Amino acid sequence: GAGVSQSPRYKVAKRGQDVALRCDPISGHVSLFWYQQALGQGPEFLTYFQNEAQLDKSGLPSDRFFAERPEGSVSTLKIQRTQQEDSAVYLCASSLGSDEAFFGQGTRLTVV
Amino acid sequence: GQQLNQSPQSMFIQEGEDVSMNCTSSSIFNTWLWYKQDPGEGPVLLIALYKAGELTSNGRLTAQFGITRKDSFLNISASIPSDVGIYFCAGQPSDNNAGNMLTFGGGTRLMVKP
Repeated sequence: GAGVSQSPRYKVAKRGQDVALRCDPISGHVSLFWYQQALGQGPEFLTYFQNEAQLDKSGLPSDRFFAERPEGSVSTLKIQRTQQEDSAVYLCASSLGSDEAFFGQGTRLTVV
Repeated sequence: GQQLNQSPQSMFIQEGEDVSMNCTSSSIFNTWLWYKQDPGEGPVLLIALYKAGELTSNGRLTAQFGITRKDSFLNISASIPSDVGIYFCAGQPSDNNAGNMLTFGGGTRLMVKP
C-alpha cells in the first residue's frame, strides 16, 4: 500500500494476555517509530528503529513492552501480561530519514 | 509525561471565524510541527517550522516558530466545517539523537458551535 499500515485496527485483550501489534511502514522508509496515545492525550514516544537497529527504547513504559524489526521493514510491538493501563491507541510512523514521518491509523487496544 | 503545554484544550468555532492556538515548552526545540488528527486516524502533518522566528503559511493556516525556540502558534483563518478535529503541536528536541522523535502537546479540540 501507499501508506503506513497497522494491524489489527482494534484489539480487545483480557488482563494478563499477551498481544502483538503489527506495523507495515512505507516501502523504503528507514526510520520507524512507535507512539502510545492515551484517550484525550497527545501521542507519546515509545521506541525508534533505524533499519533493523533499535536506537532508542527510552519511552517503553515497562519491561513488558518489547519491539522488534528483524529485517528492517515490518515491525511488531509486543506487550506481555497486559494491564488496564495499557489501553490506548498505538501509532506507528515511518520516514525516509530525518524528514516528515507518516503515521498509520493506529491500533486501538482495550484491556478488560 | 508530556513536556509541551498546548492551549486552549478545546474551543468552539463558527464558520468564517479565525482560530488561534499555541504551544509552550520549558526546553528548546529544533523543529516545531503542527498536526491534525481526525477520529480513528493517525496525525497528519499540516506545517513544519525549522528556524527560530520562521513564519510559514499553508493555505488558510499560518504558524510561527518562536524566537526563543520554546513556543509556537498556529492560526486558522476563515474556518470551515472540515477544520473540526484535534490539532497537536510537536517538537523535536535540540538534544535529540534519535532521528526525528517527536514530543507532542496535549492537543486542541476544535468543535462546531451549535
